[in-house]
Amino acid sequence: AQSVTQPDIHITVSEGASLELRCNYSYGATPYLFWYVQSPGQGLQLLLKYFSGDTLVQGIKGFEAEFKRSQSSFNLRKPSVHWSDAAEYFCAVGGGDDKIIFGKGTRLHILP
Amino acid sequence: DAGVIQSPRHEVTEMGQEVTLRCKPISGHDYLFWYRQTMMRGLELLIYFNNNVPIDDSGMPEDRFSAKMPNASFSTLKIQPSEPRDSAVYFCASSPLAGGLNEQFFGPGTRLTVL
Repeated sequence: AQSVTQPDIHITVSEGASLELRCNYSYGATPYLFWYVQSPGQGLQLLLKYFSGDTLVQGIKGFEAEFKRSQSSFNLRKPSVHWSDAAEYFCAVGGGDDKIIFGKGTRLHILP
Repeated sequence: DAGVIQSPRHEVTEMGQEVTLRCKPISGHDYLFWYRQTMMRGLELLIYFNNNVPIDDSGMPEDRFSAKMPNASFSTLKIQPSEPRDSAVYFCASSPLAGGLNEQFFGPGTRLTVL
């Protein structure tokens, strides 16, 4: 069965610092991987997705993620965070059926 | 284009009352998903539709929950009777193609509080 693990419930970084949010997945075939962001009081918005090809994918708002099959990981990165990046981030995996399985989320806090 | 529209945005009701949440998906999207988000359980898929037909309702927690999609532009999630443990944010999402392979577009959610 598909599953997604986001090991960090909360992450705090200083504004301007680099960011990496971890995501590990379990899926029997080639996964379709997503990162979504949820700002307070809002729905989820897609940041980026990986289906195939280049394992480093670029997304909106300056985010990128790297697919590492050997580690079953799809970590999200940003070189320099802004206060507006404070939000909750969800990693998700999809595949042969119609459903996407979401991780529990990582809440990002930004220190001024 | 308008995104996914949900109403109401906030609902406060008393235990035992019927609650109806509404969703209008993005025009042309064949898939519609209902999710529930709580602190304890995260984001849970309740049910999804393809071309107005319910495909998988295995996530619906109890018979008190029901969902319908009478046409391509409207869906409802009903809770009858409501209980305090149903308090959560309920999201509707739509997708143009098979949801597992494509982005899902989320509405802003309905925050339900059952007293």
